Amino acid sequence: DGGITQSPKYLFRKEGQNVTLSCEQNLNHDAMYWYRQDPGQGLRLIYYSQIVNDFQKGDIAEGYSVSREKKESFPLTVTSAQKNPTAFYLCASSIDLRRTTNEKLFFGSGTQLSVL
Amino acid sequence: AQKITQTQPGMFVQEKEAVTLDCTYDTSDQSYGLFWYKQPSSGEMIFLIYQGSYDEQNATEGRYSLNFQKARKSANLVISASQLGDSAMYFCAMRPYNTDKLIFGTGTRLQVFP
Repeated sequence: DGGITQSPKYLFRKEGQNVTLSCEQNLNHDAMYWYRQDPGQGLRLIYYSQIVNDFQKGDIAEGYSVSREKKESFPLTVTSAQKNPTAFYLCASSIDLRRTTNEKLFFGSGTQLSVL
Repeated sequence: AQKITQTQPGMFVQEKEAVTLDCTYDTSDQSYGLFWYKQPSSGEMIFLIYQGSYDEQNATEGRYSLNFQKARKSANLVISASQLGDSAMYFCAMRPYNTDKLIFGTGTRLQVFP
């Protein structure tokens, strides 16, 4: 079955530690996204990528980094510079939204990151 | 600034009744799409329904319909014949067609009781 796989489901970070969240899709989608979800704040865009080896900052990119070396994969690293990393992180993918109007985002099941 | 507003943090509805979840949006763009997603307690986001700004008819998908009032900039979701499995968070989202980013509201938690 096609879909988006996020791992791990739960992740714990120690002070000063970088952690990486995995996101893999087999939908052959060009675009991939990372969102952060905090209670009462909805989803906020961290980074997105429309093509391999290229990505753009979203609204809250500080303290995060990404890479897009393969079409299928878009890992997110939460660095020690992110002082409040506890949140639910959602990865999504779509076909290139610039080529269509009604295309929706497909989401993974999320990773809950907590600070020890 | 582009913004989605969902003013109902929580809603209750009895099983088999209809419920309306409110969504207003702010954009200066003339061309845009509006989306509703459902997020159960398991966390994944499930697409429910889409409405284009130039669509003359309100969108419908099974028990879901979108009450689109362009002049008021509102895109309310109507769920008919609520089921216990409808209990979840519901998010309204918008994408102006000249961007490749989806903007989300803060969500409404719907609880369906027997």
